[in-house]
Amino acid sequence: QKEVEQNSGPLSVPEGAIASLNCTYSDRVSQSFFWYRQYSGKSPELIMSIYSNGDKEDGRFTAQLNKASQYVSLLIRDSQPSDSATYLCAVKPGSGAGSYQLTFGKGTKLSVIP
Amino acid sequence: SAVISQKPSRDICQRGTSLTIQCQVDSQVTMMFWYRQQPGQSLTLIATANQGSEATYESGFVIDKFPISRPNLTFSTLTVSNMSPEDSSIYLCSGERTSSDTQYFGPGTRLTVL
Repeated sequence: QKEVEQNSGPLSVPEGAIASLNCTYSDRVSQSFFWYRQYSGKSPELIMSIYSNGDKEDGRFTAQLNKASQYVSLLIRDSQPSDSATYLCAVKPGSGAGSYQLTFGKGTKLSVIP
Repeated sequence: SAVISQKPSRDICQRGTSLTIQCQVDSQVTMMFWYRQQPGQSLTLIATANQGSEATYESGFVIDKFPISRPNLTFSTLTVSNMSPEDSSIYLCSGERTSSDTQYFGPGTRLTVL
């Protein structure tokens, strides 16, 4: 069974600090990795996607992927109170039947303290 | 990102009744999915909505309980049948474009069953 694991938190960081969110996955053939942000009462919105080992930066967000360790992370620099939300890690297998299906982790709740 | 709308945004229903949720996506979307998010939980895929044919259901979800239609490329409905309080959840429609393997989510339907 494909699993995606995240620390449920809550993770509390002071404003301006770096927030580090982690995710591990069980399916070694996974090829596509996504981070979604979900505010309370809202639907998930895509923050980042990453497909290759290494870092991918977009503004204050950096996604990191290590396929050998089956690990993906999201760093948020200069954290703002508006970043307070639940962050969902999602993984998609590379090919074959069901290759379009996302498996979600349970999410990490981030709280940025002013 | 894809433009996805859902209605109703919320509803309160009586036990034993049924509710149909509508999802409209933009013309760039080819794949459509329905998810359930129970209180405090992550997203669980209910089914993939297939245009002009029966939906593909995930383990634990059956057509009699969650009939899905997709009469054309940009429209799908999910019906929650014979509802019980355990069906109280947020139901989310998502879409994926051919040009990218990224899923975008509609605003969701918050269902409460009394």
